[in-house]
Amino acid sequence: AQSVTQPDIHITVSEGASLELRCNYSYGATPYLFWYVQSPGQGLQLLLKYFSGDTLVQGIKGFEAEFKRSQSSFNLRKPSVHWSDAAEYFCAVGAGTGGFKTIFGAGTRLFVKA
Amino acid sequence: NAGVTQTPKFQVLKTGQSMTLQCAQDMNHEYMSWYRQDPGMGLRLIHYSVGAGITDQGEVPNGYNVSRSTTEDFPLRLLSAAPSQTSVYFCASRLKREIWEQYFGPGTRLTVT
Repeated sequence: AQSVTQPDIHITVSEGASLELRCNYSYGATPYLFWYVQSPGQGLQLLLKYFSGDTLVQGIKGFEAEFKRSQSSFNLRKPSVHWSDAAEYFCAVGAGTGGFKTIFGAGTRLFVKA
Repeated sequence: NAGVTQTPKFQVLKTGQSMTLQCAQDMNHEYMSWYRQDPGMGLRLIHYSVGAGITDQGEVPNGYNVSRSTTEDFPLRLLSAAPSQTSVYFCASRLKREIWEQYFGPGTRLTVT
């Protein structure tokens, strides 16, 4: 069965520091992978997606993610965090058969300190 | 475009009551879905629809009903509310099942006492 693991429940980084959020997935075929961000009290917004091709994908708000098939990982990175990046981040995998469902990880809450 | 709208934003129910959470989208999207979000569990799929008149179950369908009579609307019905259904509910839509980018509504926070 498909699954997504985000090992870190929460992470705190200083403003201006770099960020890496971890994501591991389990899926038998080539996965469709996503990162979403949820600001407090809001719905989810798509940051970036990977379907195929270049394993380093760029997203909105200066985020990027790298797909590593050998490690079943799709980690999210940002070189310099801004206070406005404080939010919850969800990694997700798209199961491209049957109902074409999206499976979400449990999320990582990012805190940014001044 | 209003995108995906959900009503109400907040709701408190007593155990055993029924209610309908409303979801509408004005983007002519074929695919719509309902998720619940619980702390430490991310979003879990309740029901989804690939088009008007077609619905199917997700991971956690028990206690919920859906119907899709129009492309725009996808209401979620709680037949007999239970405290375990206390959660935040999100509706999402996407153009069609093969187009993966989802658009989420702002959510409904439901408390069942």
